Formats: sequence, C-alpha cells, structure tokens
Amino acid sequence: EAQVTQNPRYLITVTGKKLTVTCSQNMNHEYMSWYRQDPGLGLRQIYYSMNVEVTDKGDVPEGYKVSRKEKRNFPLILESPSPNQTSLYFCASTVAGGSYEQYFGPGTRLTVT
Amino acid sequence: AQRVTQPEKLLSVFKGAPVELKCNYSYSGSPELFWYVQYSRQRLQLLLRHISRESIKGFTADLNKGETSFHLKKPFAQEEDSAMYYCALKETSGSRLTFGEGTQLTVNP
Repeated sequence: EAQVTQNPRYLITVTGKKLTVTCSQNMNHEYMSWYRQDPGLGLRQIYYSMNVEVTDKGDVPEGYKVSRKEKRNFPLILESPSPNQTSLYFCASTVAGGSYEQYFGPGTRLTVT
Repeated sequence: AQRVTQPEKLLSVFKGAPVELKCNYSYSGSPELFWYVQYSRQRLQLLLRHISRESIKGFTADLNKGETSFHLKKPFAQEEDSAMYYCALKETSGSRLTFGEGTQLTVNP
C-alpha cells in the first residue's frame, strides 16, 4: 500500500531535550516536505527536499533541522525544543514537478512543556 | 512571494444548502491551485486541482485569474462534507505548496 508513515504519532517532551520525528514513504517520491499545523494559521512549511542530499528552508525553519540521506526517509530534528514548537506536524511526499498530489502522513502531535 | 487567503475560518450550513468556500491568492506567475480536505481524525488528502477541471464528491472549483480566486462550491451540502478545507497554491516550477489558513466547514442536519 502506498503511504507516508510518521513516528511517533504523539510525543510529550520537555524544553531542550533533543528529539527526532521520522518520516518514510514507499512511493519512490523525489520531493518530501514537513509542515506544522496550528489553529488559525493553516499549514506552514518548515523544510522541504527535492531529492537525496538536497534540502531547503520553507517558511518557518527556525528551530528545526532535516536530513535526506535516503530517498524514502526525511526525518525532522528538533535540537532544543521549546514550547512554541508545540504543534501538529505533517510530512508529505510527491513526484517532483508537475501537478501531482502530495501524499500526507498521519501527523505527529508534539507537546513541549 | 505567493500568498493564499481563506477569509472564513468557520462556515456552517444546513444539509442540502449550497456552500462556497472562498480562496484568494497572490502570485506573479501562472499558478496551479488545489483544494485539500482533512476529515476528522484523518490525514490531509487531495480533493481537486484546477487543471483537472473535474468534480469530486459534487465539489467544483474554477480558477478566476482576473479576480485571483479559486472558490470551492457545492450545490447541495451533505453532512459528510463536514471537514477542514485548505486551498493551496503551487509555483509554476517546483513542488512547493503554499496553504491558506483553512476553513472548517460544518454541515448541520
């Protein structure tokens, strides 16, 4: 089954404790992206990747890091989480270029206390 | 820079009534517009895209370049249409999507 998976689905952590949210897709998509969803603000892009070893900042990259060592994986790293990073995070993937559908993961709800 | 605006955060209609979710955009090039939907406790999924000119689940959307709008319409709303709807714009080249703030649609029985 074609899908995007994220782990963990729920995470409660404390300020400053490094964490990683994993994202994996099995559709051989070149393009992958991370968004955060906040009430009233919609989805805002954090980082994206056009292919392996090619990443770039989205609209709200501060406090986040990503890597793309393999085509299928695109982890999101919070080196020192802060309470304002409490949010719902979505990973997405698609074929690069064209008007293709972006496939979204199920979301990761992160709470930083 | 491109921008997508959905002026209504909440929209409530009765079953069988027409519904229109507004979307306006600003982009200097030739945009590609999409509507994504998120049902309760489900992931976002594509509803329709303007280049397909299709009707999905009774919804249609027409790109109006003069008014820079891409409003989503359905003549007779159903309770199962209750969801969060996002309008999104893709640049002419590349794959980045810029999303609007979203509109929570509630269809009352």
